[in-house]
Amino acid sequence: AQSVTQPDIHITVSEGASLELRCNYSYGATPYLFWYVQSPGQGLQLLLKYFSGDTLVQGIKGFEAEFKRSQSSFNLRKPSVHWSDAAEYFCAVGRTGTASKLTFGTGTRLQVTL
Amino acid sequence: DVKVTQSSRYLVKRTGEKVFLECVQDMDHENMFWYRQDPGLGLRLIYFSYDVKMKEKGDIPEGYSVSREKKERFSLILESASTNQTSMYLCASSALTGAGSQGYTFGSGTRLTVV
Repeated sequence: AQSVTQPDIHITVSEGASLELRCNYSYGATPYLFWYVQSPGQGLQLLLKYFSGDTLVQGIKGFEAEFKRSQSSFNLRKPSVHWSDAAEYFCAVGRTGTASKLTFGTGTRLQVTL
Repeated sequence: DVKVTQSSRYLVKRTGEKVFLECVQDMDHENMFWYRQDPGLGLRLIYFSYDVKMKEKGDIPEGYSVSREKKERFSLILESASTNQTSMYLCASSALTGAGSQGYTFGSGTRLTVV
């Protein structure tokens, strides 16, 4: 069965600083990987996804993530954080197939200080 | 813009009431999902459906049922609401074979409080 671990429950960064959110997955084959962001009181919005090709993927809002098969990781990065990036971030893993389901991590809450 | 719409943003219900949470999508997606979200626990799958009148249990189906009579609508039913069902409920949809590569589209969520 697939699983996702986000080891950091809460991260605080200063505005303008760089950001890296960690995600480790467990899956027997090449996974499909996703990062979602959730603003307070809202649903989840897709930031970026990886399913093949270049291991460095670009997403919306200036985010990027790198797939590292050897480390079973898919960490999310942003060079310079803005106060509006404060939110909760979820990593998810998926696979192909009928009614395929995504498995989500428990999330990382990002706080941005001014 | 494609959408998943959840009928209520906030609901307050009494213990023992039968509660209906409605979700409608306009993307002609085959798959629909209901999750609950609780602090520290992330998203937990309650039920999902991959076709009209088809449903499968997720990880935490106890105390819930679902209905999918039309492709665009997926309802979550709390047969007899209890206080431990106070939570944020999220509906999502995806294409039949695309969930793995395209991910989900989520609704804005329904925050349910059972008193």
